Amino acid sequence: KAGVTQTPRYLIKTRGQQVTLSCSPISGHRSVSWYQQTPGQGLQFLFEYFSETQRNKGNFPGRFSGRQFSNSRSEMNVSTLELGDSALYLCASSLFSLAGGFSYEQYFGPGTRLTVT
Amino acid sequence: AQTVTQSQPEMSVQEAETVTLSCTYDTSESDYYLFWYKQPPSRQMILVIRQEAYKQQNATENRFSVNFQKAAKSFSLKISDSQLGDAAMYFCAYRSPNNNDMRFGAGTRLTVKP
Repeated sequence: KAGVTQTPRYLIKTRGQQVTLSCSPISGHRSVSWYQQTPGQGLQFLFEYFSETQRNKGNFPGRFSGRQFSNSRSEMNVSTLELGDSALYLCASSLFSLAGGFSYEQYFGPGTRLTVT
Repeated sequence: AQTVTQSQPEMSVQEAETVTLSCTYDTSESDYYLFWYKQPPSRQMILVIRQEAYKQQNATENRFSVNFQKAAKSFSLKISDSQLGDAAMYFCAYRSPNNNDMRFGAGTRLTVKP
């Protein structure tokens, strides 16, 4: 079974621009979470999507948004980029079943390294 | 809010030796999940081991085991017979049962010396 994939792997943008990152979860996984990883702040939760709905949201400004499609693929968008948005953006997927509910295990993708200049 | 603390920014171990990474957390919840993730340089995060808070027995996965002390809110990772491939950043993480908002510690960089 293929793992979580993220595209693109590397991205360089200029301040003020916007960017869209993509995440394809493991087949059958319907929950997708996004995290920002920086040397200063560590790993911080951005948001989680399940069945095309945002289920949880971290403490990030409204410039950070996301969505999930019917095939569970997810995108996150950052508008009006700032230098501080330079980070590794990680996507993680987890399984949901009617019998067991949400699985507590998350499987991470390789990340998208965003550099804002 | 739940917080996770890893007090050791860096650790080193000799190949084939044993090392223990520390993690403490703060929560008012009685049910939760704890994880150790490994992030090798420039590679993706891998789940090493998990522990459900309601289980008293410490989790074990091959050379990796945990010492879970619920009352002390402590969750340390022991790596036995360390191998060069164990070199990585190790993150301790906490997750509530009701959402996928995982809280991570700052990480411990483990170096394995040949």
